[in-house]
Amino acid sequence: DAGITQSPRHKVTETGTPVTLRCHQTENHRYMYWYRQDPGHGLRLIHYSYGVKDTDKGEVSDGYSVSRSKTEDFLLTLESATSSQTSVYFCAIGGLQETQYFGPGTRLLVL
Amino acid sequence: DAKTTQPTSMDCAEGRAANLPCNHSTISGNEYVYWYRQIHSQGPQYIIHGLKNNETNEMASLIITEDRKSSTLILPHATLRDTAVYYCIAYSNSGYALNFGKGTSLLVTP
Repeated sequence: DAGITQSPRHKVTETGTPVTLRCHQTENHRYMYWYRQDPGHGLRLIHYSYGVKDTDKGEVSDGYSVSRSKTEDFLLTLESATSSQTSVYFCAIGGLQETQYFGPGTRLLVL
Repeated sequence: DAKTTQPTSMDCAEGRAANLPCNHSTISGNEYVYWYRQIHSQGPQYIIHGLKNNETNEMASLIITEDRKSSTLILPHATLRDTAVYYCIAYSNSGYALNFGKGTSLLVTP
């Protein structure tokens, strides 16, 4: 495995509640990504980071924010969770001239 | 990144070679062919990638045609644990997202 952990691995929350997912890497990769995976849609990019404090939006960024204050950590925040954000969230590292490696995923259920 | 086309599903007997095809007829010169797989509920797992030459590692072999318009991933001795969805992706290592598409669902049977 590529030294990527995600926490929590499973979470159930209620609509309107803020939620933060954490991705932690031990590989010192500059690039980090957050994807979500839903049936019928495959993996879609939410946000990515190309360095500490450098982030950009992906295909499905509405309702999500990210922060990267250290190389090893990339946080994904749902400011006010909605049922449409029920999904499996994957973090990945690598990318620019490098292979992307994925974490184990976080299953989020918003009731 | 170029679009790829893969069969929706394939079967393979345990112990036999699994040959998974991929068409990428519009691939550009700086795009690599990447293969990932996803076993149920797990994160996508990198398998192998190549640009022009055939590649082999401990998991699989990748055969790329000379015109680079198609490729084949070969699992030489498939096991039940190779049952997964396999994704072929054309990617320029630009730093942006991978486009996973729908992939091929491989079922390895006893």
